[in-house]
Amino acid sequence: NAGVMQNPRHLVRRRGQEARLRCSPMKGHSHVYWYRQLPEEGLKFMVYLQKENIIDESGMPKERFSAEFPKEGPSILRIQQVVRGDSAAYFCASSVGLAGLGEQFFGPGTRLTVL
Amino acid sequence: KNEVEQSPQNLTAQEGEFITINCSYSVGISALHWLQQHPGGGIVSLFMLSSGKKKHGRLIATINIQEKHSSLHITASHPRDSAVYICAVLDSGGGADGLTFGKGTHLIIQP
Repeated sequence: NAGVMQNPRHLVRRRGQEARLRCSPMKGHSHVYWYRQLPEEGLKFMVYLQKENIIDESGMPKERFSAEFPKEGPSILRIQQVVRGDSAAYFCASSVGLAGLGEQFFGPGTRLTVL
Repeated sequence: KNEVEQSPQNLTAQEGEFITINCSYSVGISALHWLQQHPGGGIVSLFMLSSGKKKHGRLIATINIQEKHSSLHITASHPRDSAVYICAVLDSGGGADGLTFGKGTHLIIQP
């Protein structure tokens, strides 16, 4: 049973470009969470999704950021018109059940560098 | 929103020592996670607990719900235990369903 998969592992973008980060949850998991770790800072919650639904996006910036988890395929975190401040490690985690009832398992992260 | 405090921030110890990392939080939770992160690496979930104590190998995690406090212990520490250990909680009061994280404890075990 493969763990949580994220790709790419490293992504370099120039200012103004778009970044697409993908997360495939563990088999049987229907809940996905995205977290961001800025350099020298702790992890922060961004968004919580179930299949085809955004449950909570209170931690995600209102502009330029969006997330989806379609019925088929991976969850996507999309950052439009990237800026240098978006450079960070982005982790996704998945769980089998409702938040708090299912342990969250983390992917290896995508390290985004904006030039 | 919960506030999570970890102590110490940095810890250097000799191989074989018994290690304790502490975590306190400010409001009620439904679960607490201990995570491990190696430099430049991914995040590994060590424990999820909501009461009592759990043990896995040389790692032990305890939680006291009344005192809003958890500890992570490492027995017979080894240089490969060197990593950042992160405490994270899931609020029980609703709101965001994501975890709230402490700033982490940087542990170095010297041979």
